Amino acid sequence: NAGVTQTPKFQVLKTGQSMTLQCAQDMNHNSMYWYRQDPGMGLRLIYYSASEGTTDKGEVPDGYNVSRLKKQNFLLGLESAAPSQTSVYFCASSLGSSSYNEQFFGPGTRLTVL
Amino acid sequence: QKEVEQDPGPLSVPEGAIVSLNCTYSNSAFQYFMWYRQYSRKGPELLMYTYSSGNKEDGRFTAQVDKSSKYISLFIRDSQPSDSATYLCAMSRTDSSYKLIFGSGTRLLVRP
Repeated sequence: NAGVTQTPKFQVLKTGQSMTLQCAQDMNHNSMYWYRQDPGMGLRLIYYSASEGTTDKGEVPDGYNVSRLKKQNFLLGLESAAPSQTSVYFCASSLGSSSYNEQFFGPGTRLTVL
Repeated sequence: QKEVEQDPGPLSVPEGAIVSLNCTYSNSAFQYFMWYRQYSRKGPELLMYTYSSGNKEDGRFTAQVDKSSKYISLFIRDSQPSDSATYLCAMSRTDSSYKLIFGSGTRLLVRP
């Protein structure tokens, strides 16, 4: 099992450009998450999906959109990138969302917006 | 004020030392408490998980939760250079257990 995979690993964008970060999991998990990690801030939840076709905003959703068309994939879109979106983005998945279910994280995507 | 506070370190200790890592929090509704380990340029991985108060031991690692003081700790005995990483505490409420609130992480360096 590959677990949670993310593409790309690195990306440099110019302000105003758009892009999609891709996440895939092969553990048949129902729930998937997108986080961003910034120095001194820890990880913050951007969006969450409890199941295929459903999404919900997290703590910092502004400037992002998501898509969960297939159970194994969760896409994070930046429509018009801003320097404030320079960060490391982590995707995670868990079996479920009721009571506690361990979240498994991918290796991250390092995004720089110039 | 952040909901979860964690000393960023870095914390440098000699091999074999006992390490104590701590987090404080402000929301009394938190019931699930976790410690994640994150190696450089990698994603976090779950190390310890505790529900409500008490202690939990797993090999060289012990997690403690003191809800009355809103304080959680991770102890590492006989620390090894391979323990060098950033340790993140995380916690969540029962009614939204999937919403993990993370501390900013403590960087630990174990010197051979």
